[in-house]
Amino acid sequence: DGGITQSPKYLFRKEGQNVTLSCEQNLNHDAMYWYRQDPGQGLRLIYYSQIVNDFQKGDIAEGYSVSREKKESFPLTVTSAQKNPTAFYLCASSIGRTNNYGYTFGSGTRLTVV
Amino acid sequence: GQNIDQPTEMTATEGAIVQINCTYQTSGFNGLFWYQQHAGEAPTFLSYNVLDGLEEKGRFSSFLSRSKGYSYLLLKELQMKDSASYLCAVLPNDYKLSFGAGTTVTVRA
Repeated sequence: DGGITQSPKYLFRKEGQNVTLSCEQNLNHDAMYWYRQDPGQGLRLIYYSQIVNDFQKGDIAEGYSVSREKKESFPLTVTSAQKNPTAFYLCASSIGRTNNYGYTFGSGTRLTVV
Repeated sequence: GQNIDQPTEMTATEGAIVQINCTYQTSGFNGLFWYQQHAGEAPTFLSYNVLDGLEEKGRFSSFLSRSKGYSYLLLKELQMKDSASYLCAVLPNDYKLSFGAGTTVTVRA
């Protein structure tokens, strides 16, 4: 079955550490996205990529980095520069800029700073 | 920036009907989506509206008025499994989906 796989489901980070969240899709979608979800707030866009080897900053990119070396993969690194990283992170993909089904989401990674 | 508003919480009884409103002010409009999200899980697609009017899909219906910047999601014959968060999202001119904060619906027996 096609879909998006995020790993790990839960991740704990110590202060000052970088951590990388994995996102893999086998839907042959061109575009991929990373969102952050906090209680009481809408999903906020961190980074997005419309095509391989290209990505753009979203609304809250500071303290995060991404790469898009393969169409299937869009890993997100949460760096030590991100001061409040505890959140639920969602990866999504779409066929292109517009389609009638919006985005397909992964099941998320819950990151906690300890 | 984009502005999308929806109520924070709603409670209804099993078998009843609930209507979740969403108002938006965005830079352009290329469609409005509704997603359902159970706690700790991925949002799943419910509906898409790009033209004015009502789209019906089983127990769920979605309405759009572009001139009023308004949509609603109607959930009929509520079941316990419908307890979830419902996200309104708009696709503006930059084609980056922008989300409201979500409405948590609690269905009581």
